[in-house]
Formats: sequence, C-alpha cells, structure tokens
Amino acid sequence: QVQLQESGPGLVRPSETLSLTCVVSDYSITNDYYWGWVRQSPGKGLEWIGSSHHSGNTHYNPSLKKRVIISIDKSRSQFFLKLSSVTASDTAVYYCARQSDRGFYYESGTAYHPLTWFDPWGQGTLVTVSS
Amino acid sequence: QSALTQPRSVSGSPGQSVTISCTGTGSDVGGYPYVSWYQQHPGKAPKLIIFDVSDRPSGVPDRFSGSKSGNTASLTISGLQPEDEANYFCCSYAGRVRFVAFGGGTKLTVL
Repeated sequence: QVQLQESGPGLVRPSETLSLTCVVSDYSITNDYYWGWVRQSPGKGLEWIGSSHHSGNTHYNPSLKKRVIISIDKSRSQFFLKLSSVTASDTAVYYCARQSDRGFYYESGTAYHPLTWFDPWGQGTLVTVSS
Repeated sequence: QSALTQPRSVSGSPGQSVTISCTGTGSDVGGYPYVSWYQQHPGKAPKLIIFDVSDRPSGVPDRFSGSKSGNTASLTISGLQPEDEANYFCCSYAGRVRFVAFGGGTKLTVL
C-alpha cells in the first residue's frame, strides 16, 4: 500500500528557503492523483500549501503562492516543497499527502476536476524557523 | 483564522452520539459535494474518515457518518468509544482560485 515519508532540515533561518522532500513508496507517482503539502502550526489547524500532478498541473494556496514551488521527480518517485523567505510564522509540522481529483463538475459549460480528499498522509516533519 | 468554522470542542460519554459541524459558504462547502473529514490523534498524522460528504473509506467503522445541508457539513459519531477521542478537521473544495479550505479543528473528548 502507498506510503509517504517526508524529510528535510528541522531548522531553517529566517529569510532562507525551506526545502522538503516526500518519498512515495509502493505506488506509482504517475498514477492519476495529485501530490500535496499541508502544514500545521503548533496547536493550530491545517493549512493547504499546494498540490502538483505528474502532468505538470500545479495549484497553490493563494496566500502562499508567491513563495512556494512544488515539483515532482517521476524517476525517483519523489516530490518536493520549496518555501522561500521564511519567517517564524512558517514554523509548523509539514505533511505530504496524496490528493484525489476524481470528481468533476461543470462551470459555464466546462468540466473541471476538483482537488478533494487527502489519503494517505506522511508522518509529518517539524520545521522550526529560528536564528 | 481558518476558512471553515468548527466548534473548538465537543464531548460525549461512551455509547452516545456526537455531531461536529463545519460551516463555510456557497463558494466552498455549499457549492460542491466535496467535503472530507479527518481524525487526528495527538502527535499523529491526520487520517481520512469521510470523503465526498458522506462516503467512508474501507476500514472506517460505520459509526462515522457525514452529511451536508446548505453551507454546513456535519460529522456524526455514534456509539462513542474511548479511542474516538481526537481532533477532527473538515476540508472542502473551494473553487478554482482557493482550491482547498480546512476547518480549524474540533477536539472531541470522550468523558
């Protein structure tokens, strides 16, 4: 069954770039799912960062869009998160997850596939932004 | 401040039922049939328990059920068990600009 595992530095200096990797095991990253990042600040709720498809389609949280890049390496079955110009407010547990876009709906006569549920999730990795 | 509004906490005794609400707008919860719910125990990753408003992944007990009315989605847990004590988050598709909205989470205490 599909498994995801995050890795990366646990400490990042303010103004630098946070870089994380998610390794996907026992499942093809080129199957028809999105691959996403979600974070959780200490004691807070969940915040979607963005999701990417192996076709190149990528969508970001508008509030983070200027600072985020998500990419996929199909050959190594990994996907990546880069978040630039970090501040203390970016301190959080970062999760990677597989995300479905199985459904569809029509808007102005055009069919769209929505980003929906996340399953499974990686175990999460704590990233602290501090000097 | 989260996009979707959930009560901060709910509680119930073993065997009882509890319902957790998740209120959004017509641009997210009310606009699409794509609400999901997650259970998170302390120090653990979230686990999908409901998707597409009311569907359960295999392995999730039928004590967990989901519904939606207008801009509010609900998660009902019947026959409460001690292991149900956890945080619960709702999530909704939010259109082609915002894409994904989460609730702030609800802490369920089993008395």
